Amino acid sequence: DQQVKQNSPSLSVQEGRISILNCDYTNSMFDYFLWYKKYPAEGPTFLISISSIKDKNEDGRFTVFLNKSAKHLSLHIVPSQPGDSAVYFCAAFNAGNNRKLIWGLGTSLAVNP
Amino acid sequence: ETGVTQSPTHLIKTRGQQVTLRCSSQSGHNTVSWYQQALGQGPQFIFQYYREEENGRGNFPPRFSGLQFPNYSSELNVNALELDDSALYLCASSLGGRRPGNTIYFGEGSWLTVV
Repeated sequence: DQQVKQNSPSLSVQEGRISILNCDYTNSMFDYFLWYKKYPAEGPTFLISISSIKDKNEDGRFTVFLNKSAKHLSLHIVPSQPGDSAVYFCAAFNAGNNRKLIWGLGTSLAVNP
Repeated sequence: ETGVTQSPTHLIKTRGQQVTLRCSSQSGHNTVSWYQQALGQGPQFIFQYYREEENGRGNFPPRFSGLQFPNYSSELNVNALELDDSALYLCASSLGGRRPGNTIYFGEGSWLTVV
């Protein structure tokens, strides 16, 4: 049973528009969430994280929103650039307990010029 | 889950000791990569194995070594542990070496604490 779900395997957007990547989780014990970006043949790159005590965290063009009641988080990229084309992974864990990191399967984002 | 399992989940070692971390890949996947993620930082690529041979390595010293077995499971060995080796170690499996666009499945990680 997938505890962290990224239900869209792929997403295509136009350059300059907003990219919205979604992630749902089932375990209410998760209290820390991370997004990673991965290019082909490279290791994943940490993008942005959010603690469960917040509902929004912003870093440049990247914003993560957390809706705890819905067990849902999303990553917004504004404006999208062709260099953002990559696979994006959502991950979650409980920082105070067993710290087991649970990963989603990723969403492949294509930003078209 | 992703089909990639790592063991142990947590362990504590003393400086100077050696540690072996294990990873069982998603069924059918012939490529496994290992990453080190210190708390608050992104994962750093250690090395990758494709069909039992190392075919990529990050900026880690030789005391970090690995193995991939015929069933494509893998081990990460770290000798002469240092305090800075304390981190989450992630294993990821995929099919086809460095072919672009492959789906990569990550394990849940092994938390190593060196004291």
